[in-house]
Amino acid sequence: AQTVTQSQPEMSVQEAETVTLSCTYDTSESDYYLFWYKQPPSRQMILVIRQEAYKQQNATENRFSVNFQKAAKSFSLKISDSQLGDAAMYFCAFFSGSRLTFGEGTQLTVNP
Amino acid sequence: GAVVSQHPSRVICKSGTSVKIECRSLDFQATTMFWYRQFPKQSLMLMATSNEGSKATYEQGVEKDKFLINHASLTLSTLTVTSAHPEDSSFYICSARKVGTGYTSNTGELFFGEGSRLTVL
Repeated sequence: AQTVTQSQPEMSVQEAETVTLSCTYDTSESDYYLFWYKQPPSRQMILVIRQEAYKQQNATENRFSVNFQKAAKSFSLKISDSQLGDAAMYFCAFFSGSRLTFGEGTQLTVNP
Repeated sequence: GAVVSQHPSRVICKSGTSVKIECRSLDFQATTMFWYRQFPKQSLMLMATSNEGSKATYEQGVEKDKFLINHASLTLSTLTVTSAHPEDSSFYICSARKVGTGYTSNTGELFFGEGSRLTVL
């Protein structure tokens, strides 16, 4: 079974600065996908970024980028130029086959 | 974009009653829908996977007679909490995967509903 671990229950960052959220996973699969989802207070799940395991290049989406280290099974999220609207719970997720497994989540606070 | 709608967003019921939550994909067809449960400040826990026209597959520890799932069409799945008790109070979220081949359906990118908060008195 796959497991996803987010070791930081809470993180905070000053507005306009950069923050990195950590995620590690454990799997014996070679073909899989990794995601970061954002869940604001509204509880709506929002896809932030996606990474295919077969791609070596790290995914980027505007201010969001990942550091994907396949051998280390690490998938961290970097948020640059943090904005107040980035405050939310962030979940790392692993997909293989037909299952999407979530980490425990990291609550991000953005300080003005 | 792909929109998934859940209804109701909030429901309060008395202990012992049954509650039905609907999950609809509004602008795409979904052969597979997933139901998650989320307790406050915790992660999403997969309860079951429903496939259109077949029985749902439940995760270990989830009572299938308690949480009835029906996926009667490519755009609708329902979760019925039968004989609800206070411990069933939670936030329930559905997600849907688009039909078809190609990148989107193979990646597992799911489109999530807004969630339904169930409170059992």
